[in-house]
Amino acid sequence: DVKVTQSSRYLVKRTGEKVFLECVQDMDHENMFWYRQDPGLGLRLIYFSYDVKMKEKGDIPEGYSVSREKKERFSLILESASTNQTSMYLCASSHRVGTGALLLFGQGTRLTVV
Amino acid sequence: GNSVTQMEGPVTLSEEAFLTINCTYTATGYPSLFWYVQYPGEGLQLLLKATKADDKGSNKGFEATYRKETTSFHLEKGSVQVSDSAVYFCALSASWSGAGSYQLTFGKGTKLSVIP
Repeated sequence: DVKVTQSSRYLVKRTGEKVFLECVQDMDHENMFWYRQDPGLGLRLIYFSYDVKMKEKGDIPEGYSVSREKKERFSLILESASTNQTSMYLCASSHRVGTGALLLFGQGTRLTVV
Repeated sequence: GNSVTQMEGPVTLSEEAFLTINCTYTATGYPSLFWYVQYPGEGLQLLLKATKADDKGSNKGFEATYRKETTSFHLEKGSVQVSDSAVYFCALSASWSGAGSYQLTFGKGTKLSVIP
């Protein structure tokens, strides 16, 4: 069964900590994405990557960075966690072309920063 | 830029009622349009899609028609069930960066609750 797997369902971190959210896909997808989901704001794109070691800023990259050293893995890094980064984080992947940009999502990581 | 506007929720319906969730979009060119669904505690999953004008996407009793003249992609279901309770997201895809790849722009989501 093909899937996108996020390493944690729930995380609680302290303000100022460096936080790593990991995402792995097993579908050989070229594209990978990180979104955050907040009530009333929907999904907002943080960063995406269309190839190994490539990254592009999305709509809200401030306070985040990403790493893609291998095709199957895309990491989101909160350099110094703050309470306004408490949110649901969703990873997704897709093929580069064709398939009408079908995204496959992970189950999400609910991060709480205290 | 691209944008998606969908009706505000939450929407509460009785079982077997008719559902419409409105979605309109703004985009350059000819985007593909999608509805994604998020069941409680889960990530998003594709519900249906349409890739060109007048296409109708359908799945699990839901359907939506790509209307270019009204820039709309409204979601409908004739008879909802309790198991349809979820958050529904309308989205469009457009190419970016000349790399031939696509990214999605999502609406804010509409929460549907179906009561027995």
